[in-house]
Amino acid sequence: ETGVTQTPRHLVMGMTNKKSLKCEQHLGHNAMYWYKQSAKKPLELMFVYSLEERVENNSVPSRFSPECPNSSHLFLHLHTLQPEDSALYLCASSQDPVGTGTEKLFFGSGTQLSVL
Amino acid sequence: SQKIEQNSEALNIQEGKTATLTCNYTNYSPAYLQWYRQDPGRGPVFLLLIRENEKEKRKERLKVTFDTTLKQSLFHITASQPADSATYLCALGGYNKLIFGAGTRLAVHP
Repeated sequence: ETGVTQTPRHLVMGMTNKKSLKCEQHLGHNAMYWYKQSAKKPLELMFVYSLEERVENNSVPSRFSPECPNSSHLFLHLHTLQPEDSALYLCASSQDPVGTGTEKLFFGSGTQLSVL
Repeated sequence: SQKIEQNSEALNIQEGKTATLTCNYTNYSPAYLQWYRQDPGRGPVFLLLIRENEKEKRKERLKVTFDTTLKQSLFHITASQPADSATYLCALGGYNKLIFGAGTRLAVHP
């Protein structure tokens, strides 16, 4: 195991539902990330938190809302999603902040999301 | 815009041979480059990091090269085994973010 736990592993939701993805890291890292992975496409960075402060938001639609209550936990709140939002959502953590040249990402197993 | 190219077609090789995967990039000058392994239904796992001033990095059966003139990194697995079958992602670092390629799937046949 990588030390990063994501729940749930699978999620099916309708376009009017509200759900949340949870991520917990047991590594004592200072930075946490949300990535989106669609089939045969590169990982897309959605949000980055460093020391619990959001430092990156890659123009993600407002129907995705992150929350980082402490350095070990990260949430992604979902509401009124679209079918094109169906993808694997990956959480990651790193000891060093983004851009230092040494950050190695530790990923969770992801949440496979299907929006009907 | 920045672009990373990895072979979209799967690489099929025989057990015991050396697998070589390619990562090309344009419109970018990364300070470092990383390689990850991803198995189906799992998140990527970090393998190696190489900096722009390093030509080559090794770890057990893995070797990575980084040619900033050609804007290319090569990832080699020597004496490949069926357990090496997975998708391998390269990621370029610097400028406060990592940019990932789409990955190349490697299949090692007995």
